[in-house]
Amino acid sequence: DTAVSQTPKYLVTQMGNDKSIKCEQNLGHDTMYWYKQDSKKFLKIMFSYNNKELIINETVPNRFSPKSPDKAHLNLHINSLELGDSAVYFCASLQGGGTEAFFGQGTRLTVV
Amino acid sequence: SQQGEEDPQALSIQEGENATMNCSYKTSINNLQWYRQNSGRGLVHLILIRSNEREKHSGRLRVTLDTSKKSSSLLITASRAADTASYFCARPEGYSTLTFGKGTMLLVSP
Repeated sequence: DTAVSQTPKYLVTQMGNDKSIKCEQNLGHDTMYWYKQDSKKFLKIMFSYNNKELIINETVPNRFSPKSPDKAHLNLHINSLELGDSAVYFCASLQGGGTEAFFGQGTRLTVV
Repeated sequence: SQQGEEDPQALSIQEGENATMNCSYKTSINNLQWYRQNSGRGLVHLILIRSNEREKHSGRLRVTLDTSKKSSSLLITASRAADTASYFCARPEGYSTLTFGKGTMLLVSP
């Protein structure tokens, strides 16, 4: 079983649309993240959820909103998509306290 | 948050050679982690070294940590074409934040 799974793997959409990316982890971890990786491979943390509570929001536009229905899921909703939102988005989870993170395979978002 | 810095940004070697990547950081750490990312895939954890450790081994990987210089290095010995990937260092900040460096792209040619 995949530890951290995110869907879809590829997402192509037009500017102005609203889209969602789903993430699920079966590791029983307390903390889940969303990262954005740009074309230069730079990984920027977007959100962190710990036991369903948002604890980090790194100057991300409010068009992006995380939704966590339970501890195992952290979905990412994006409204009014812009060209600059094109990137690879990664979901990750960890138990907390500086332990290792487990990543999903990524969602390549292309806004046209 | 401040990013770690890896160098070199890119490294190209032949199979069988050793590859060394370096990571510098600016704040104090509890541990430092190294990850690998194959093209089109997610990051995979390789090794974690705690602040009270100076060196750690895992198979062909050797990681060193110098907290006085705020730097770490990852050595891959006897490299293989399958080692071709991007390598990132990462450090926890606070209880739940994991901050990544900019990465080193390693190309191992047969």
